Order: sequence, then C-alpha cells, then structure tokens
Amino acid sequence: AQTVTQSQPEMSVQEAETVTLSCTYDTSENNYYLFWYKQPPSRQMILVIRQEAYKQQNATENRFSVNFQKAAKSFSLKISDSQLGDTAMYFCAFRRDDKIIFGKGTRLHILP
Amino acid sequence: GAGVSQSPSNKVTEKGKDVELRCDPISGHTALYWYRQSLGQGLEFLIYFQGNSAPDKSGLPSDRFSAERTGGSVSTLTIQRTQQEDSAVYLCASSDRGLGYTFGSGTRLTVV
Repeated sequence: AQTVTQSQPEMSVQEAETVTLSCTYDTSENNYYLFWYKQPPSRQMILVIRQEAYKQQNATENRFSVNFQKAAKSFSLKISDSQLGDTAMYFCAFRRDDKIIFGKGTRLHILP
Repeated sequence: GAGVSQSPSNKVTEKGKDVELRCDPISGHTALYWYRQSLGQGLEFLIYFQGNSAPDKSGLPSDRFSAERTGGSVSTLTIQRTQQEDSAVYLCASSDRGLGYTFGSGTRLTVV
C-alpha cells in the first residue's frame, strides 16, 4: 500500500521567517510524482510545487522549494520569507499512474 | 472552461434524501476524480474516471454512493439516503497525464 505521512498537524511561524513542512511516503515504485498542495480557507486546492521522482534536482517555485530525498522517501516543503497569505492547510501528495494519495495535512499559521 | 466547475457550492439536505453533486472538468482532461474531505481532515479518494475505461470505484464508502461521467466530460456524484456522516466537502479534480490535478472549489454538503 502507498501511504503519505505528514507528522506535523499544525505549525505557527512569524511572518518573514522560513518554515519547513515534513512529509514521508511509502512506496515500492521507482517512478512517481510528488506534490504539495495548499488549501486556504476558501477551500480551493492549489498546486504549489511538483517533483518527478526521476529528477534529482529539487523543485523550486519562487519562495517554495522542496528537499527530495528519494532513498529516505522524504519530501519536505520549505517556505522562505513567509507571508500572511501563506496561511493555509498544506497537503503532501504522491502520484503513481493516475491516482493521487494525500497526507492528512499540516495547518500552517503565519503570524503578523 | 478555464477551470473545474462544481455545483452547487453548498447543499443542505435532510437525512434520508438523495443528492446529486455535479463536476464539469477542464476541457480535454481525460481523468476525473472525486474526493471527500471531512471537517479538518485530509482528502479521501472516492472514485476515478479515465477516458472510456471502467471507473476505479475502490474508494466509495458504501453502495449509497455512485458516480457517472457522461460523454467523457461532466460527472455526477450521487448519494442516496443521505446520513449525517455524509456531511463533508466533496472535491472534484481533473487531470492531464503527468501533471498534478486541478481542483474545483468543492461542494459543502450538510445533512441535517
């Protein structure tokens, strides 16, 4: 079975600080995709960043970057210079073939 | 359309009634997914449609739940004889191969 584990149910950081959200996953596959999704209070799920497992280089999107450790099956999200608008639920997700499995999420609060 | 459209955005129904939730995916996306998100929880996979293939119904919680996708486009999720535990946000997403999902804004179902 493929699972995704987010060990931090909730986190709070001050605005402008850097925060890292943890995610581990379990799979026996070699080719797959990993994602981080953001869900603000509007409940719209927004794709933050994507990583292909065959790529060693960590994905980066502006202030968002990942630390992908394939052997350790770890996929953490780093948010630099955090902003109030980053307050949301963040879901780590694993995709193989056409199905995505989500973790239970981390609720992130950015404090002014 | 430009995004995934779900209707209604909110639905309140009486216990025991049937409800239909609609999803209109992004044009050209061959895959369509339904997820359920209970209050403060992660996303629970319900059902997946890919092209003309038989749907993956492995996540449907009971036989009161069913879904169809007509003409490879619009999908309807039907819940018969609703129960209070069915109260949740129902999210639809569509996908093109190799990319992340694009989600709709969801339907918040409240069973009273």
